[in-house]
Amino acid sequence: ILNVEQSPQSLHVQEGDSTNFTCSFPSSNFYALHWYRWETAKSPEALFVMTLNGDEKKKGRISATLNTKEGYSYLYIKGSQPEDSATYLCAFESGAGSYQLTFGKGTKLSVIP
Amino acid sequence: EPEVTQTPSHQVTQMGQEVILRCVPISNHLYFYWYRQILGQKVEFLVSFYNNEISEKSEIFDDQFSVERPDGSNFTLKIRSTKLEDSAMYFCASVKAAWDEQFFGPGTRLTVL
Repeated sequence: ILNVEQSPQSLHVQEGDSTNFTCSFPSSNFYALHWYRWETAKSPEALFVMTLNGDEKKKGRISATLNTKEGYSYLYIKGSQPEDSATYLCAFESGAGSYQLTFGKGTKLSVIP
Repeated sequence: EPEVTQTPSHQVTQMGQEVILRCVPISNHLYFYWYRQILGQKVEFLVSFYNNEISEKSEIFDDQFSVERPDGSNFTLKIRSTKLEDSAMYFCASVKAAWDEQFFGPGTRLTVL
């Protein structure tokens, strides 16, 4: 059974604060690490697909890093805005070739105006 | 922008009844998935579908579950005889190519009474 863990489970920050959360995953048989942003009643929205150790990706104020050797990824949000409030999911894709995703439980971010 | 759609958004059914959850993946995508999330738990993989057949399924996807792509656009998940523990949010996802980001639908909330 693949274990993908995210921390913290939930987070409240003030508007303008920067924040980050962690995703840990198995370091063996790695193929890709996905980050999704999920707002209530909407579809999970893909943020990043990361495949290489040392990968850093950025989309606006959101960025992510990847360490496949130690099995973790960080998601950073710079200058949080109320519209960043959502659950952030990471998902591990193993090298078994099936392309199925194993999800963490998510980090629920609330940005207080 | 193309998106994955799912119907219905909410389905309530009696235990033992059959339900069919419908998904319309993005038109040029080739791989299709069903996931589910029981309230408070992680999103779990159910089944992947490629080239008109199941490519992989999880332990959850037992004989009560089946998938079909009847007409080249719809992708359905059927639960033959629902149980209380089938109550969950069911997500459909599609992807154009292997190792690409998976696009998720908004989900169908299934409530089994």
